[in-house]
Amino acid sequence: DAKTTQPPSMDCAEGRAANLPCNHSTISGNEYVYWYRQIHSQGPQYIIHGLKNNETNEMASLIITEDRKSSTLILPHATLRDTAVYYCIVRPWMDSSYKLIFGSGTRLLVRP
Amino acid sequence: EADIYQTPRYLVIGTGKKITLECSQTMGHDKMYWYQQDPGMELHLIHYSYGVNSTEKGDLSSESTVSRIRTEHFPLTLESARPSHTSQYLCASSDRGQGGYTFGSGTRLTVV
Repeated sequence: DAKTTQPPSMDCAEGRAANLPCNHSTISGNEYVYWYRQIHSQGPQYIIHGLKNNETNEMASLIITEDRKSSTLILPHATLRDTAVYYCIVRPWMDSSYKLIFGSGTRLLVRP
Repeated sequence: EADIYQTPRYLVIGTGKKITLECSQTMGHDKMYWYQQDPGMELHLIHYSYGVNSTEKGDLSSESTVSRIRTEHFPLTLESARPSHTSQYLCASSDRGQGGYTFGSGTRLTVV
């Protein structure tokens, strides 16, 4: 499985965009990029996933570079409630045996 | 609105007691998982199931056991609780496709 590298911590001001980077230089062609977040020891929450095209939903946008070796999760207008640990994970497409393995993630602090 | 339920939310219990942590989901998901997480630390997969009567151990060794007699139910049991079992236990489920995992709110276990 491809491994990911994320900065251990980041911060941004409330109302500004939060851009969380993730490196996955060994990603395979059949692997998707998934993002989850965990707010204060609650169960992790699915945010978004993508293969190679940029994706957007009501929570965030996901920008994947053309070579797919890195991606950025964008929270367009961060609020205090977005303070959480954000996990970037790659997983194979339609691999029924795949198990989600979490790394250490990025701890995002949104400042008032 | 949670579709996966864990009970109890908090549990304080004495050493040597047998405990069962409950996890139920209403989404009809085939796959279910148990993760263990100490405060401020990474999530570790301890058990998973791909369907009824299917259970496997995860990446982190655990003295707990699980069962999957019904699709919607995936309880975790500790036959004799010890202080080293003090942790948060998170249950999750996923479908066959590329949907994300859905996590419960967790059970915070303290063994005294």
